[in-house]
Amino acid sequence: DAGVTQSPTHLIKTRGQHVTLRCSPISGHKSVSWYQQVLGQGPQFIFQYYEKEERGRGNFPDRFSARQFPNYSSELNVNALLLGDSALYLCASSLKWGGYEQYFGPGTRLTVT
Amino acid sequence: GNSVTQMEGPVTLSEEAFLTINCTYTATGYPSLFWYVQYPGEGLQLLLKATKADDKGSNKGFEATYRKETTSFHLEKGSVQVSDSAVYFCALSESSSNTGKLIFGQGTTLQVKP
Repeated sequence: DAGVTQSPTHLIKTRGQHVTLRCSPISGHKSVSWYQQVLGQGPQFIFQYYEKEERGRGNFPDRFSARQFPNYSSELNVNALLLGDSALYLCASSLKWGGYEQYFGPGTRLTVT
Repeated sequence: GNSVTQMEGPVTLSEEAFLTINCTYTATGYPSLFWYVQYPGEGLQLLLKATKADDKGSNKGFEATYRKETTSFHLEKGSVQVSDSAVYFCALSESSSNTGKLIFGQGTTLQVKP
């Protein structure tokens, strides 16, 4: 079975631009979470979605938004990019929301110049 | 708030040496505990988990025991290989928020030399 897939793999954007990152969960998984990993640190929780509804939000500004589609795939959107948004963005899927184990995709490396 | 603290790295070992990476946590309620591994340029892979006190998670020769009395979840392996070189993250899944969001430690880099 395919694991979690993310696109694109790498992305270079300019300050002030907008970016959309995409994620497809493992087949049968209905929950998707997004994490930001800055170089040298552990991932930080951004959002969790389950059955197309937001179930959790981390301490990130309103420039960050996300949504989940009927097929359980998800998009993460970031507006008005800042240099500090440069990071690896990880998507994780799980069967349900709550304490179920999460499986991560390879990530999207975003560089803001 | 909930948090995870890992030992500072890098940890440098010779092949076949014994590995311990310390992890302690602060949490309300009864979190689930995880170890993830990240190889260069890749995402995180779930290595093992434990969901309640005294549970022992194990996988690929790695093991960790959920110790509620010491709020610890130390990762151990009896004999490391060069291929184990990676960054290891300890994490907890919050039980109180019902989101199951993962809170990670800062990561510990393991370098195994032949």
